[in-house]
Amino acid sequence: AQTVTQSQPEMSVQEAETVTLSCTYDTSESNYYLFWYKQPPSRQMILVIRQEAYKQQNATENRFSVNFQKAAKSFSLKISDSQLGDTAMYFCAFMKHVFGNEKLTFGTGTRLTIIP
Amino acid sequence: GAVVSQHPSRVICKSGTSVKIECRSLDFQATTMFWYRQFPKQSLMLMATSNEGSKATYEQGVEKDKFLINHASLTLSTLTVTSAHPEDSSFYICSAKITQGGQPQHFGDGTRLSIL
Repeated sequence: AQTVTQSQPEMSVQEAETVTLSCTYDTSESNYYLFWYKQPPSRQMILVIRQEAYKQQNATENRFSVNFQKAAKSFSLKISDSQLGDTAMYFCAFMKHVFGNEKLTFGTGTRLTIIP
Repeated sequence: GAVVSQHPSRVICKSGTSVKIECRSLDFQATTMFWYRQFPKQSLMLMATSNEGSKATYEQGVEKDKFLINHASLTLSTLTVTSAHPEDSSFYICSAKITQGGQPQHFGDGTRLSIL
């Protein structure tokens, strides 16, 4: 079974600063996908970024980028130039590359607060 | 693209009532939909995987007769909480994914269920 660990329950950072959220996972699979989802106070789950394990290049989406270290099973999220709207719960998630069994395994989340 | 609509957003009802929650993929076909439950300040807990045209697969510990799932079309899955009791009060979220492998799950806005 897969496990996803987010060791930072809460973080806060000043607006415009850069923050990195950590995520580690444990799996015996060689091919899989990793995601970061954001859940603002509205509680909607919003996809932030997606990484395919077979790709060495780190995914980026505007101010959001990841540091994917496959050997270390680490998948951190970096938010640059943080904005007040980035305040949310952030969940790291793992998905096996097995068609028909593409369940997500979520971490416990990191509550990020951007301070004005 | 990849919009998922969940309805209703909020339900308040008396104990013993059955409540139906709908999850629709608006601009794509979803062979598979997922139903989650989220307790306050916790991560998402997968309840069941809903496959179009077949029986849902429930996670361990989830009562099939309590949480009825129907996935009658490629764009609609429903969760019915039967004979709801106060302990069923929670936030329920659905997600849907495009059939192609490796695609992320896209989430509805959730339903806050309160049983009096």
